[in-house]
Amino acid sequence: TQLLEQSPQFLSIQEGENLTVYCNSSSVFSSLQWYRQEPGEGPVLLVTVVTGGEVKKLKRLTFQFGDARKDSSLHITAAQPGDTGLYLCAGAGSGGGADGLTFGKGTHLIIQP
Amino acid sequence: DVKVTQSSRYLVKRTGEKVFLECVQDMDHENMFWYRQDPGLGLRLIYFSYDVKMKEKGDIPEGYSVSREKKERFSLILESASTNQTSMYLCASSLYTGGVRTEAFFGQGTRLTVV
Repeated sequence: TQLLEQSPQFLSIQEGENLTVYCNSSSVFSSLQWYRQEPGEGPVLLVTVVTGGEVKKLKRLTFQFGDARKDSSLHITAAQPGDTGLYLCAGAGSGGGADGLTFGKGTHLIIQP
Repeated sequence: DVKVTQSSRYLVKRTGEKVFLECVQDMDHENMFWYRQDPGLGLRLIYFSYDVKMKEKGDIPEGYSVSREKKERFSLILESASTNQTSMYLCASSLYTGGVRTEAFFGQGTRLTVV
């Protein structure tokens, strides 16, 4: 069974600060996705990273896939209250997605005005 | 936009009832999934399907069954609801690419309470 460990579990910071969330595994994934989930809603895909060492930017969010494709990080610059939510990482195995994604337990992020 | 629609946002059922959760997607995706989400446990895969009439057990299939008679519809069935099945249920679909881009698109979730 592939496991994904996310850290920290909870993070509460002030608006304007920077933060990094980590997603680690001992397994290799063919790709890794990051999702954001707001209370009472389903997760929404933010980004997919595929290549070891890949870096993707989405406005103030920077996503990185580890060289060995076992870990990933999400960095938010100048956090805003709208960034509040549950951030989930999910890894895909080698089955083309037909066997489901492995999800981390998530990081609860609160950005205080 | 991909749309995954779950039939109910909130449900309250009694112990022992048979419960049906319906999910429909409009993007012709081959793969469909049912997860449950609980505090401290994250998302756990109950069942998935990669084709019509095909189903595979996920990590926690006990107490559940599924049905996929049409490509766009995937139903989760609780044969005899119990209080430990109180949870948020999430349906998702994805395109089978045979490769690595396996993004999942989720419905809005069904908050089920069994009393």
